[in-house]
Amino acid sequence: AQSVAQPEDQVNVAEGNPLTVKCTYSVSGNPYLFWYVQYPNRGLQFLLKYITGDNLVKGSYGFEAEFNKSQTSFHLKKPSALVSDSALYFCAVRLNQAGTALIFGKGTTLSVSS
Amino acid sequence: DGGITQSPKYLFRKEGQNVTLSCEQNLNHDAMYWYRQDPGQGLRLIYYSQIVNDFQKGDIAEGYSVSREKKESFPLTVTSAQKNPTAFYLCASSPTGGAITETQYFGPGTRLLVL
Repeated sequence: AQSVAQPEDQVNVAEGNPLTVKCTYSVSGNPYLFWYVQYPNRGLQFLLKYITGDNLVKGSYGFEAEFNKSQTSFHLKKPSALVSDSALYFCAVRLNQAGTALIFGKGTTLSVSS
Repeated sequence: DGGITQSPKYLFRKEGQNVTLSCEQNLNHDAMYWYRQDPGQGLRLIYYSQIVNDFQKGDIAEGYSVSREKKESFPLTVTSAQKNPTAFYLCASSPTGGAITETQYFGPGTRLLVL
């Protein structure tokens, strides 16, 4: 079955420290991977996506993600966390099949302390 | 959230009542989607539509219905058959729905509560 896993419900980091939010996937064929962020009572905002090419993808607000095919992972990273980065983060995969929607992980709450 | 509007922001449903959630987009996107968000469960697909007058069931379509009479509008009706409707409902759109590399863009959401 196609799936996305975010193994951590919550990640806590101090402001200024690097952050990592983990995501692993299980799909047949080539995966198309996305990261979204959600602030309280708001819709999802697109951060970045991996389609093909360079395994390091740069996105909005200083975030980047590293695609690792051998480990089937797509971890979200940022070199220096801000308090304003505190939010709920979702990893999602689009199946290699036209006409399908996204499959989302359960989300990871990032809390950045000052 | 730009380009996609959802209304109302909060909606209260009485038992046995059907309610309709509005989703409108001005992005000229062909494809539109409805997701349900429950705490700790991520987002689950209810229905999606790739083109006007056509739509497909997602993973949790039971108790819901949709229509797609206009390109810019994709209303979701939560029927009385949906026994646990309390959730945050998110509408999304993408340019064609057929290109697997497309980004989906989300509206601000509607929170449905049962009285």
